[in-house]
Amino acid sequence: GQNIDQPTEMTATEGAIVQINCTYQTSGFNGLFWYQQHAGEAPTFLSYNVLDGLEEKGRFSSFLSRSKGYSYLLLKELQMKDSASYLCAVRDRNDYKLSFGAGTTVTVRA
Amino acid sequence: DAGVTQSPTHLIKTRGQQVTLRCSPKSGHDTVSWYQQALGQGPQFIFQYYEEEERQRGNFPDRFSGHQFPNYSSELNVNALLLGDSALYLCASSRAGGTSNQPQHFGDGTRLSIL
Repeated sequence: GQNIDQPTEMTATEGAIVQINCTYQTSGFNGLFWYQQHAGEAPTFLSYNVLDGLEEKGRFSSFLSRSKGYSYLLLKELQMKDSASYLCAVRDRNDYKLSFGAGTTVTVRA
Repeated sequence: DAGVTQSPTHLIKTRGQQVTLRCSPKSGHDTVSWYQQALGQGPQFIFQYYEEEERQRGNFPDRFSGHQFPNYSSELNVNALLLGDSALYLCASSRAGGTSNQPQHFGDGTRLSIL
């Protein structure tokens, strides 16, 4: 199985930058996903990494290092609406399921 | 274009009862996965259906069963409900088998409370 660790909570100021780290252990890595989940709502897909490096999508970027079993999600120019839980999920090779971390609750303050 | 839809939104049951939750996948998707999400936790994989067959199962007891219909919609059934089954049940759909980089798209979930 996979062990996926991410911080429980983070707080940042509107307009600032926040970096959410995720470490994982897997027997055969086949991709890492980041999802955003507002309270009481569905998780929504943010990004996918399968090769090492940085993927940028507007204000959100995601980085992967397969050798270190490490990823981060970078949120720039934080807005109040970015207050949510951010879920890191890993897919193992020859696996159909996603294995999720417990999520990081980000609170953006004015 | 409708996304993943789940019904009902909320459900209250008592211990020992049985429940059926329903899911319609996003248009163009053929694969449905079910997850259980306890408060403050990440989703936990229950099982996945593709071509009307269960093709992978997580660490859940046989009380949890499912079905996929020819139109790709799916049901999750839970028998002999326990207090610990109280959770948000999420359905996720994806395209073309689901082992590629195609992301899984989630519905808003069914909030199940067991009294």
